[in-house]
Amino acid sequence: TQLLEQSPQFLSIQEGENLTVYCNSSSVFSSLQWYRQEPGEGPVLLVTVVTGGEVKKLKRLTFQFGDARKDSSLHITAAQPGDTGLYLCAGDGGGNNRKLIWGLGTSLAVNP
Amino acid sequence: DTEVTQTPKHLVMGMTNKKSLKCEQHMGHRAMYWYKQKAKKPPELMFVYSYEKLSINESVPSRFSPECPNSSLLNLHLHALQPEDSALYLCASSQARTLTNTGELFFGEGSRLTVL
Repeated sequence: TQLLEQSPQFLSIQEGENLTVYCNSSSVFSSLQWYRQEPGEGPVLLVTVVTGGEVKKLKRLTFQFGDARKDSSLHITAAQPGDTGLYLCAGDGGGNNRKLIWGLGTSLAVNP
Repeated sequence: DTEVTQTPKHLVMGMTNKKSLKCEQHMGHRAMYWYKQKAKKPPELMFVYSYEKLSINESVPSRFSPECPNSSLLNLHLHALQPEDSALYLCASSQARTLTNTGELFFGEGSRLTVL
């Protein structure tokens, strides 16, 4: 059974601080997706990483995919209150199904 | 148009009621999904339709009945639900370029269901 461990589960920081969220697994994924969800809305895709060692940047967000494609991280620089939300990583095992493996999520609160 | 539209946004029903949740997408995606989500938890997969055929049922109780009338529409019929079924029900779609990979999911805003 594939599992994706996401940490931390909860994070409360002040505006301007940096943070990193981790997703780790013992399984290899063909790709890994990061989503952000605001209260009362559905998750919105932020990025998909596909290649081992890949780094993608989205303004103040930096996403990395591990060389072995088993882990990923999300780093936010100078967090802002608008970054508040639930961050979810999801791995695509690429098996003969359409099931993503989800991390438990990181609930981030950025206080002004 | 890159939207997945879900109706209704909010639904309150009694345990004996029959209701339906509806989902529509016009992105030409051929895989559609129903997920259930509790507060601050990840979405839990319920059903997957691939090319209008049910391909995954995650052992969901029969009081939930999915339907895919065509490639753009997905319904979830609800009957004799329990209070513990109260949750956010999310519809999603993906391009399904291959038979294997899921691809990127586009979610609707969800239908907030309360069962009394």
